[in-house]
Order: sequence, then structure tokens, then C-alpha cells
Amino acid sequence: EAQVTQNPRYLITVTGKKLTVTCSQNMNHEYMSWYRQDPGLGLRQIYYSMNVEVTDKGDVPEGYKVSRKEKRNFPLILESPSPNQTSLYFCASSTQPRQGNGYTFGSGTRLTVV
Amino acid sequence: QKEVEQDPGPLSVPEGAIVSLNCTYSNSAFQYFMWYRQYSRKGPELLMYTYSSGNKEDGRFTAQVDKSSKYISLFIRDSQPSDSATYLCAMSESNFGNEKLTFGTGTRLTIIP
Repeated sequence: EAQVTQNPRYLITVTGKKLTVTCSQNMNHEYMSWYRQDPGLGLRQIYYSMNVEVTDKGDVPEGYKVSRKEKRNFPLILESPSPNQTSLYFCASSTQPRQGNGYTFGSGTRLTVV
Repeated sequence: QKEVEQDPGPLSVPEGAIVSLNCTYSNSAFQYFMWYRQYSRKGPELLMYTYSSGNKEDGRFTAQVDKSSKYISLFIRDSQPSDSATYLCAMSESNFGNEKLTFGTGTRLTIIP
């Protein structure tokens, strides 16, 4: 089954404790991206990657890091999480999402930072 | 002002009714327009895609784009309880590079049996 797999689904952590949210896709997509979803703000892009070893900032990159060492994996790293990073996070992948293929989203990771 | 404005609802309609969902936007560079559906505790899934102005129909769903008014719509005919979800409009510019989508905040829709 074609899918984007995120782990964990739920995570509660404390301020300052480094964490990684994993994302893996099995569709051989070139393009991957991370979004966060907050009430009243919608989905906002954190980082994106157009291919292996090619990453760049989205609209809200502060406090996050990413890497793309393999085509299928695109982990999101929070080096020192803070409460304002409490959010619902989605990883997405696509081949040319603007050309009508759209994104395939993961099921989300709900992160709480206390 | 947000680039994309969407009425958050919630919107409740009886089964079988026609539903109209709308978004307005301010960025005239947007060329690609999409509607995503998001069920509770799930990621968004692509429902409809339209390039530039015009209409597109797919079964019970019709997407309309009016670039002159910077206004897009999604119509759902013969609505079903399974259509109960949050509907997100999304848009993208035509420049090569970041395939970023700019999303509306979503409209929560409930179809009452």
C-alpha cells in the first residue's frame, strides 16, 4: 500500500529534550515536506526537500532541523523543544504536487511540549 | 491579513443537501487550486485539483475557480454522512522550486442523517 508513515503518533516531552519525528514514504517520491497544523492558523510549511541532500526552509523553520540522506526518509528534528512547538505535525510527499498529483500525507504526530 | 481566508464553520446540513464551501485569496500569483478532505485524526487527502480558472466535476463534487474575483468554491451534491470532515482549500504559485501549498484554515462540515 502506498503510504507515508510517521512515528510516533503521539508524543509528550519536556522542554529542551531533543526529539526526532520520523517520516518514511514508499512511493519513490522526490518531494517531501513537513507541515504543522494549529487551530486558526491552518497548515504551515516548516521545511521541504526536493530530492536527496536538497532541503530548504518553509514559512516556520525556527527551532526545527531536517535531513534527507535517503529518498524515502525525511526526519524532523527538534533540538531543544519549547512549548510553542506543541502542535500537530504532518509529513507529506509527492511527485510534482502542483501538477495535480497532490500530496500524500501521513497520519500526523501530535506533539505536546511541557 | 492571511493569504487564504476560509470560513471555519462549523457547518451542519441535512443529508442530501447541496453544500457550498468557499475560500478567498489575496495572492494573484496562485495558479493551482486544490481541495483536501481531512477526517478526524487523519492526514488531509486530495479531493479536487484545478489549474487556473474554470470548473471541474468529479462525481458529486464540483470545484470552481474565479481568478478575477480571487475566489474558489467546492460544491458537494447529494451530501452523505460520510462527507462529514474538515475541508481545506490549498493553493500554489507557478514558480519552479518549492512546491509549497498555502492552505486555508479549514471548514468543519457535518452531514446530519
